[in-house]
Amino acid sequence: DAKTTQPTSMDCAEGRAANLPCNHSTISGNEYVYWYRQIHSQGPQYIIHGLKNNETNEMASLIITEDRKSSTLILPHATLRDTAVYYCIVRPHMDTGRRALTFGSGTRLQVQP
Amino acid sequence: DAGVIQSPRHEVTEMGQEVTLRCKPISGHNSLFWYRQTMMRGLELLIYFNNNVPIDDSGMPEDRFSAKMPNASFSTLKIQPSEPRDSAVYFCASSLEGGAGANVLTFGAGSRLTVL
Repeated sequence: DAKTTQPTSMDCAEGRAANLPCNHSTISGNEYVYWYRQIHSQGPQYIIHGLKNNETNEMASLIITEDRKSSTLILPHATLRDTAVYYCIVRPHMDTGRRALTFGSGTRLQVQP
Repeated sequence: DAGVIQSPRHEVTEMGQEVTLRCKPISGHNSLFWYRQTMMRGLELLIYFNNNVPIDDSGMPEDRFSAKMPNASFSTLKIQPSEPRDSAVYFCASSLEGGAGANVLTFGAGSRLTVL
């Protein structure tokens, strides 16, 4: 899997947009970008994924640069409940190698009141 | 759907005792994963089943750990004998492999194990 680089931590004011960057400069053509988050004491939660087009769902938006070497997860109006560790993972959509998802260190987002 | 159900939520045991953690995946999901999380090592994959068959157990720390999936709706992770260094939160997750949700895992709430 392509390596990802994320900032260790970020702060965001409540009600403002939280923009979480992820660098994946070695991404290959068949690899998708997945985002998960883990709220304290809970299991990780899937947020969104995309290949090359920007994606939006009820939780967040995912912006992938045209060269696909980086992406940004956007939480449009962050709340205190969005305080969590956010993981960016790059994986083939259909992994013929039959390997499971692995999680790095992620970005610890602290939403401030 | 009730999601992925794990039990027990908390377990405190003494070194040397056997520990069994249980997981019920989401109905219809064909892949099941056991992860372990500690402050030092983060979230680590232990084992991954597909259609009840172990596919990758390279993350299982040693012979003291074993996992089974006797049917599509149940899996166990057993530690025998347990050691203090096994203290961690153990997560079970499931997904539907082969479709659009191959890498969309649903995690359970976790089982927090403390070995004294």
